[in-house]
Amino acid sequence: QVQLVESGGGVVQPGRSLRLSCAASGFTFRSRVVHWVRQAPGRGLEWVAVVSSDGNTKHYADFVKGRFTISRDNSKSTLFLEMNSLRIEDTAMYYCAREIGVKDAFDIWGQGTMVTVSS
Amino acid sequence: EIVMTQSPATLSVSPGERVTLSCRASQSVSSDLAWYQQKPGQGPRLLIYGVSARATGVPDRFSGSGSGTEFTLTISSLQSEDLAVYYCQQYNNWYTFGQGTKLEI
Repeated sequence: QVQLVESGGGVVQPGRSLRLSCAASGFTFRSRVVHWVRQAPGRGLEWVAVVSSDGNTKHYADFVKGRFTISRDNSKSTLFLEMNSLRIEDTAMYYCAREIGVKDAFDIWGQGTMVTVSS
Repeated sequence: EIVMTQSPATLSVSPGERVTLSCRASQSVSSDLAWYQQKPGQGPRLLIYGVSARATGVPDRFSGSGSGTEFTLTISSLQSEDLAVYYCQQYNNWYTFGQGTKLEI
């Protein structure tokens, strides 16, 4: 069935790095725009980054610009989020999500992977 | 940045009740408005997109309406499985979410 499965979360110290992965299955990954969205404990949803279907166009929320990098490997149907210079406020559940079209709603979400930044 | 404001933050409801949730945008988002449902320990689920189009598999007791800056999600007859947090999202100018409305007994 159509699904997204995140992995790579964990506990990391401030200033360190972490790489998240999102494995897609059940649909033609290379044809779809995909995103990262995060949710701090007890808080709402916060958009993080988006990458175009071919991987050439990327956009980021201001609070992660210069620290996070979104990328994809269409040959492996996998989305990535490289997170550098992590801060305590980056602690959150990180979800990958598929966009319906272009500049559209998100119709498929993963279950999330938890990132905890703590000394 | 377009700010999305949902009201109320929490709503006490009863099974069978008609429920109305509100979402306001700080500027017009045209029809680029979606609603999501999130249950504890789960990722969000798309309910409504384009203001009023139901996503695949969404029961017809869920409906959306509105335009410009004012939007509404209506549950015509609340079922116990509808107890969750509901988020609105605009995708007209990048992507922003409301802070959520929690439905509780």
